[in-house]
Amino acid sequence: EAQVTQNPRYLITVTGKKLTVTCSQNMNHEYMSWYRQDPGLGLRQIYYSMNVEVTDKGDVPEGYKVSRKEKRNFPLILESPSPNQTSLYFCASSMGPGGSPLHFGNGTRLTVT
Amino acid sequence: EDQVTQSPEALRLQEGESSSLNCSYTVSGLRGLFWYRQDPGKGPEFLFTLYSAGEEKEKERLKATLTKKESFLHITAPKPEDSATYLCAVQSTGTYKYIFGTGTRLKVLA
Repeated sequence: EAQVTQNPRYLITVTGKKLTVTCSQNMNHEYMSWYRQDPGLGLRQIYYSMNVEVTDKGDVPEGYKVSRKEKRNFPLILESPSPNQTSLYFCASSMGPGGSPLHFGNGTRLTVT
Repeated sequence: EDQVTQSPEALRLQEGESSSLNCSYTVSGLRGLFWYRQDPGKGPEFLFTLYSAGEEKEKERLKATLTKKESFLHITAPKPEDSATYLCAVQSTGTYKYIFGTGTRLKVLA
């Protein structure tokens, strides 16, 4: 089944403790992206990648890192999480960078205390 | 600056009562406009892509249309299972970012 898989689904952590949220897609998509979703603010793009070793900042990249060493994986790294990063995070992928729809994972709910 | 505005924020309909959701957008040039459905606690589910003014797409009770400034998602004779948040997104020719609106929360009452 074609899908985007994120792990974990739920994560509770403390301020400053490094964490990684994994994302994997099995559709051979070139484009991958991370979003956070907050009430009243909608989905905001954190980082995106148009192919292996090619990443770029979205609208809210501060406090996040990403890497794209393999085509199928696009992990999101929070080196020193803070409470304002408490949010619902989604990974998404699309066939190509131009005009293709995004396919989303089921989300990771992160709480930073 | 690329922008997407959706209205209304929330909509309550009786089963069978048709209506439309609006997505207004501002982009330098449009690569694509996308509609998604999102159920609580789940990832957005892709519905339609529209590329140029005048284009229309249909799926069951949903029909999406596009003009140069806005898109409409028409819901004909909705059922309770159509209750969800509907999101609109655009990708402009100047960037590879996708910009989302804040969505319309639709509730269909039996």
